[in-house]
Amino acid sequence: KQEVTQIPAALSVPEGENLVLNCSFTDSAIYNLQWFRQDPGKGLTSLLLIQSSQREQTSGRLNASLDKSSGRSTLYIAASQPGDSATYLCAVRDNYGQNFVFGPGTRLSVLP
Amino acid sequence: NAGVTQTPKFQVLKTGQSMTLQCAQDMNHEYMSWYRQDPGMGLRLIHYSVGAGITDQGEVPNGYNVSRSTTEDFPLRLLSAAPSQTSVYFCASFDSRTRGKYFGPGTRLTVT
Repeated sequence: KQEVTQIPAALSVPEGENLVLNCSFTDSAIYNLQWFRQDPGKGLTSLLLIQSSQREQTSGRLNASLDKSSGRSTLYIAASQPGDSATYLCAVRDNYGQNFVFGPGTRLSVLP
Repeated sequence: NAGVTQTPKFQVLKTGQSMTLQCAQDMNHEYMSWYRQDPGMGLRLIHYSVGAGITDQGEVPNGYNVSRSTTEDFPLRLLSAAPSQTSVYFCASFDSRTRGKYFGPGTRLTVT
């Protein structure tokens, strides 16, 4: 059974710092991996989607990498801003169906 | 496109009451699913549907029913609400073209 973990569970950084959020998964037979952002009391917003054949995806200040063989993905946020404060979740879709398994999330606070 | 919509946004029920959480999407996605999100447990799959007329159980289906009479709608029914069903419920659809998942804004349910 696929299990997804995220480290750290929470992170506070001053504005302007570059930071890395980590996602690990136990079964490397994944179809793709998706990073989401969730603001308090809100739904999930898709940030980046990485197919299993890709190594990374970039969108603005965000860069997500995928190392399938080691079961890891990282989300890199450059020059963090207070508006980046949210919970970041990663989810993996396995090769056997269309369901995603979610990690517990990393709660990020960017302090002005 | 409105994307994935959910109603209501908030609901308080008494133990034993029944209700239906509504979910609709206007993106013509075949695959839809329901998750619940609880503190420290991430998102867990309740039920999913791969198309109109087809539904299946996810990780935590007990106490919930679903139906899929149209591509657009995927309601979740609580048969007899219990305090353990206090949670935030998210409906999602899956884009088979981009392989990405899209979430509704969520329904916060409290069962007293």
